[in-house]
Amino acid sequence: DAGITQSPRHKVTETGTPVTLRCHQTENHRYMYWYRQDPGHGLRLIHYSYGVKDTDKGEVSDGYSVSRSKTEDFLLTLESATSSQTSVYFCAISEGLDGYTFGSGTRLTVV
Amino acid sequence: QKEVEQDPGPLSVPEGAIVSLNCTYSNSAFQYFMWYRQYSRKGPELLMYTYSSGNKEDGRFTAQVDKSSKYISLFIRDSQPSDSATYLCAMMEPRYGKLTFGQGTILTVHP
Repeated sequence: DAGITQSPRHKVTETGTPVTLRCHQTENHRYMYWYRQDPGHGLRLIHYSYGVKDTDKGEVSDGYSVSRSKTEDFLLTLESATSSQTSVYFCAISEGLDGYTFGSGTRLTVV
Repeated sequence: QKEVEQDPGPLSVPEGAIVSLNCTYSNSAFQYFMWYRQYSRKGPELLMYTYSSGNKEDGRFTAQVDKSSKYISLFIRDSQPSDSATYLCAMMEPRYGKLTFGQGTILTVHP
């Protein structure tokens, strides 16, 4: 997807280990978001950022933390991964309605 | 009760059919209403958005919003096999641009 890159694309990790997912944008958009997608739930907001070092919790933030030290990077950390965090994670960037763009997703499996 | 409810489907229709996708919502703070299309193993892409009651057309797609009933619809005319995807409704609170999604409807259009 133009202007937004997620890494890694796939990851398998063990229960109890910390995991960090990275979202990188080249659009200089102010707003960045992390969503997770699970069957039967659509996408649910985990955390969001409205500027460098400005972040807040979303609907399903328990067990997750985020950091944004630069405009272009938004990191999502699973402090101690659990099987319930097996999901597809999407990063999104926004500078207005038309500018709401999603990344290609990170498929995380916790075993 | 979820803030956004979407008919889960799945829907299977013949090529050329008219498709109707629907969502209801309960949060009056939602001011922008969107439809996203998501192909398998891809991120959601914005199809249409609107912020007022009434209809909005874009080619074969028509988005309809009824704020009094808290009900939105997406109509696809002359459906094509390339329309086969998951369709997600989403509602936005204007502050911070947070999205609340429906569960998604899987649509298959048969040639």
